Amino acid sequence: DAKTTQPNSMESNEEEPVHLPCNHSTISGTDYIHWYRQLPSQGPEYVIHGLTSNVNNRMASLAIAEDRKSSTLILHRATLRDAAVYYCILRDNNYGQNFVFGPGTRLSVLP
Amino acid sequence: EPEVTQTPSHQVTQMGQEVILRCVPISNHLYFYWYRQILGQKVEFLVSFYNNEISEKSEIFDDQFSVERPDGSNFTLKIRSTKLEDSAMYFCASTKREGWGNEQFFGPGTRLTVL
Repeated sequence: DAKTTQPNSMESNEEEPVHLPCNHSTISGTDYIHWYRQLPSQGPEYVIHGLTSNVNNRMASLAIAEDRKSSTLILHRATLRDAAVYYCILRDNNYGQNFVFGPGTRLSVLP
Repeated sequence: EPEVTQTPSHQVTQMGQEVILRCVPISNHLYFYWYRQILGQKVEFLVSFYNNEISEKSEIFDDQFSVERPDGSNFTLKIRSTKLEDSAMYFCASTKREGWGNEQFFGPGTRLTVL
């Protein structure tokens, strides 16, 4: 099973920043931290990934704790289109390269 | 922007019938995957495929399931004798190369309804 812990749900106001936390206290040294999201009635969509350093891309930022036992996905200005389930995923040794999805965090964005 | 496509978008079948779900991965990708998501539940890994053979499979992927890359573009999932509990969204995904740092691109899914 996925070795991450995320809140079941979070709410944000439109155009405000959103910080989505993920705990992964059993992370190993070579595990990458991936974030995907799933908009309603769609397949999962890549958001961002990182190993040790903080990462930025056009969609989001990923802040990784120094001990790597937690990370935070940051959406700088939430839009209504960002309402989705956000998954924080680590490698699962049982399945090699394959993703093991947990229940994720359901983000609601209020206008 | 290249994308993974899946057909059909919705498949309805009778219990015990065979179904084939089709996927066209991104053209220069080498690794292919099937996942499923039962309504209201989490996304579950089924199988990964590379170099014309299965790389990994989960406990869900039993003898009723098979995958094939019949030509240079399609990647199919066959369920030989469908059961009611096979009703789910099935997602195909692909990635360019191996390595945990590489993103997987998912298709829009096929909704399978078994009656």
